[in-house]
Amino acid sequence: DIQLTQSPSFMSASVGDIVTITCRASQDITSYLAWYQQKPGKAPKLLIYNAVTLPSGVPPRFSGSGSATEFTLTITSLQPEDFATYFCQHLNNYPRIFGPGTKVDI
Amino acid sequence: QVQLEVSGGGLVKPGGSLRLSCAASGFGLGDYYMNWIRQAPGEGLEWISGINWNGDTTGYVDSVKGRFTISRDNAKNSLYLQMNSLRVEDTAIYFCAREEVRIETMPQKRPLPPKTIYYYYGMDVWGQGTTVTVSS
Repeated sequence: DIQLTQSPSFMSASVGDIVTITCRASQDITSYLAWYQQKPGKAPKLLIYNAVTLPSGVPPRFSGSGSATEFTLTITSLQPEDFATYFCQHLNNYPRIFGPGTKVDI
Repeated sequence: QVQLEVSGGGLVKPGGSLRLSCAASGFGLGDYYMNWIRQAPGEGLEWISGINWNGDTTGYVDSVKGRFTISRDNAKNSLYLQMNSLRVEDTAIYFCAREEVRIETMPQKRPLPPKTIYYYYGMDVWGQGTTVTVSS
């Protein structure tokens, strides 16, 4: 099975910061990667699919990059509502493993 | 309004069974792959099972194989997860989520057969979750 790691696992940031989260896959997954945001007590929200594509309604301060085994989620100008935990997930095979998560806190 | 409503959680003893349901509204369940994901208290997300449009392809994480069964009834717009031989470590909030997957068939030069390409769009609609507690 494909394994995903994320770094960092926790980060402290401030409003207006640029935040970068990395997701690494144990094997080449081309661009089959999604990113999700989860706030406490809520279901996750899809932020990015196919490594770089934002679904409609996701603010453009979120962006994704990468391919093969290394991927990045970038949040430019962090907003108060962006303090949350972020997960990556690979999409093209079962099991559709999630990364362990990155908590972005104040 | 597009939504998923999860039900069926509760308190069960180790070794017991539960059946979770996920009812879709505002869209046709049969147009989507569907998934079950769980989250243990204070932990991350764990994908546990998925099923394709018509149910002829399913997948499971190793920790639930042979104990959990995913199924769907597109006519009832519902997804199910039958959970048997429950363990304390199955305690979690269980979410269902829909996943858009599209396929494209590309012709190839003879004698090659047509090539099927899959496009995956992520899990864009999630249910609110139901709590399963396994404890004696």
